[in-house]
Amino acid sequence: EVQLVESGGGLVQPGRSLRLSCAASGFTFEEYAMHWVRQAPGKGLEWVSGISWDGGSVDYADSVKGRFTISRDDAKNSLYLQMNSLRAEDTALYYCVKDRVAAVGTEGFDFWGQGTLVSVSS
Amino acid sequence: DIVMTQSPLSLPVTPGEPASISCRSSQSLLHSNGNNYLDWYVQKPGQSPQLLIYLGSIRASGVPDRFSGSGSGTDFTLKITRVEADDVGLYYCMQGLQVPPTFGPGTKVDIK
Repeated sequence: EVQLVESGGGLVQPGRSLRLSCAASGFTFEEYAMHWVRQAPGKGLEWVSGISWDGGSVDYADSVKGRFTISRDDAKNSLYLQMNSLRAEDTALYYCVKDRVAAVGTEGFDFWGQGTLVSVSS
Repeated sequence: DIVMTQSPLSLPVTPGEPASISCRSSQSLLHSNGNNYLDWYVQKPGQSPQLLIYLGSIRASGVPDRFSGSGSGTDFTLKITRVEADDVGLYYCMQGLQVPPTFGPGTKVDIK
């Protein structure tokens, strides 16, 4: 059974940093691209960042480019999102998402975690 | 970025009746390989989104055949042949042709 378990969310002041983690199990992690997708309270879905199966290709939404860094550790079956210079508009539930394929160009997000909540407020 | 629109944004349905949601993209989602990079997701109340349809018309694993996706280029449709009470939720289309992947605003399906 595929499981994606996010952690690391919390309440943080504007301008500070936070690191999200996602522990993956139930599939061969190193073979698939992975993504972070967020959902602000009461709002729709926004793709944040993606990383290819080998980490060689990464992409970001313009809204987080230069502030967020995605990475993966295949030895630990884990995905990460380092979030710096956080803003109030980054407040959202952050989902760890598995792609159906190896490359970042997606053919469907087939498994989603339960999400970890990030709240940015003074 | 490719802009995704959906209609209607709210869809009251009667159990046992059919339902249909339209999704349009600002650019063609048809790749030169013949695939349309359009997915459908449903987010049931209190749950994470789940994949229903990928590449325009392929049902994801475990998705009932009451759900079907069709369309090509810029116009796509999700159809439910016979709505069940468990189908309530927010339905999103998403394009995966270009980075960044972009979602439609969502269509809220609920029971009349």
